[in-house]
Parts: sequence; structure tokens; C-alpha cells
Amino acid sequence: DTGVSQDPRHKITKRGQNVTFRCDPISEHNRLYWYRQTLGQGPEFLTYFQNEAQLEKSRLLSDRFSAERPKGSFSTLEIQRTEQGDSAMYLCASSYISEAGELFFGEGSRLTVL
Amino acid sequence: KQEVTQIPAALSVPEGENLVLNCSFTDSAIYNLQWFRQDPGKGLTSLLLIQSSQREQTSGRLNASLDKSSGRSTLYIAASQPGDSATYLCAVRQLQAGTALIFGKGTTLSVSS
Repeated sequence: DTGVSQDPRHKITKRGQNVTFRCDPISEHNRLYWYRQTLGQGPEFLTYFQNEAQLEKSRLLSDRFSAERPKGSFSTLEIQRTEQGDSAMYLCASSYISEAGELFFGEGSRLTVL
Repeated sequence: KQEVTQIPAALSVPEGENLVLNCSFTDSAIYNLQWFRQDPGKGLTSLLLIQSSQREQTSGRLNASLDKSSGRSTLYIAASQPGDSATYLCAVRQLQAGTALIFGKGTTLSVSS
């Protein structure tokens, strides 16, 4: 088991462009989470999936953000018409289906919007 | 609304010292509390998970305690080493407000040799 994998690790884009991040969770984990972290802050919840169903979305997830997990395995997070305020580390985590489940995070995808 | 606070924001100690990091939360209705380590520019590494029914968890030189009624957790690091230098984050999972972990801002630890 290689843990949670995220790609790309770094992305530099110009304002107004679209970007997509991919997350591959730990294979037997049913839940997948997206978080965003800015410098000096703790991670903030964006959304989570249980299998292929997106069950919860934060108010932080504006209509420019969309996340999918089409077959209940990997997930993508797309940001359309990027803004400089979108610059952050985007973290993916996975866990078993359990409110008591431990979350395991990937290395993150750092986005810089110029 | 659940709020998680970590004090101090930064801590510098010489190698070999024992130290305590503090985490407090405002709503005691939680499933569990998890401590993470984050190295600069990296993701989060899970250190310890304490369920709401537990009082403490230990892993090697790390010991985490939980006092749910008072809304506090501590992470004790014994015999600190330069390799322990990192940001330590605590996060709680609430009972009724969905499954999202709510994080503090972290304590940045620097251990000098």
C-alpha cells in the first residue's frame, strides 16, 4: 500500500485558467476528503465522498470548484477561472467508513495563481 | 461552532527536553481527536488518534491525552530530537456536524542540537 497519492505536486497557472488535481486514496478506503490549507493556517474542509457519492460540501467550495469521484476510487478537484485567492495547498485524505476512522493525508498539491 | 485553538503557536527547545503541546476545543461533543505532524511544504502525517471514550494514546516517545469534558488535549513529546522539528496540528471530529475534521492552526516546534 503506497498511501494517498496526489498529482501534480505543484501547479503554477495564470489567473483565469482552469486547473485539475487528482487524488488516489488508499485502496480499501471508502471515504475521500478534500481540504485546502493556506500559509500559517490549519487545513479547511472542502468536500468529502463516500464511495462515489459526494455527501458534504463546505461553503468554501464556490461554484468555480467541482469535485468528482466517478467510480469510487480516485477523485479529481477542478478549479475553473482561477483567482489569486485560490493559491493554496490542496490536500486529499482518505479513511474507512466510520465516524471513528483515522484520516490519512497525501502530500498535497500546491497551487500558485499568478 | 466548533473552534480549535493550539497554544503556543511556536516553541523552541534544546535537544533532549520533554515538552507539551496544547490543544483546546469549544464543543465537547466529539467522536475523536487526531494529532498530526506537518513538515514544511508537505502533507500531514497522522501521529495519534484518540477516541472520545479514551483518555490517552501512546506511540513511542509521543503521548496524547484527552479530557473531553474540559475540551482539552495535550501532546507530550519525550526526549525531543532535532528531527521532531515540524508543525503539529490537532483536529477534532464532531458528533453532529458532519464528518469533517476541524483543525487548529498548529504549533511550530523547533528543536536545536
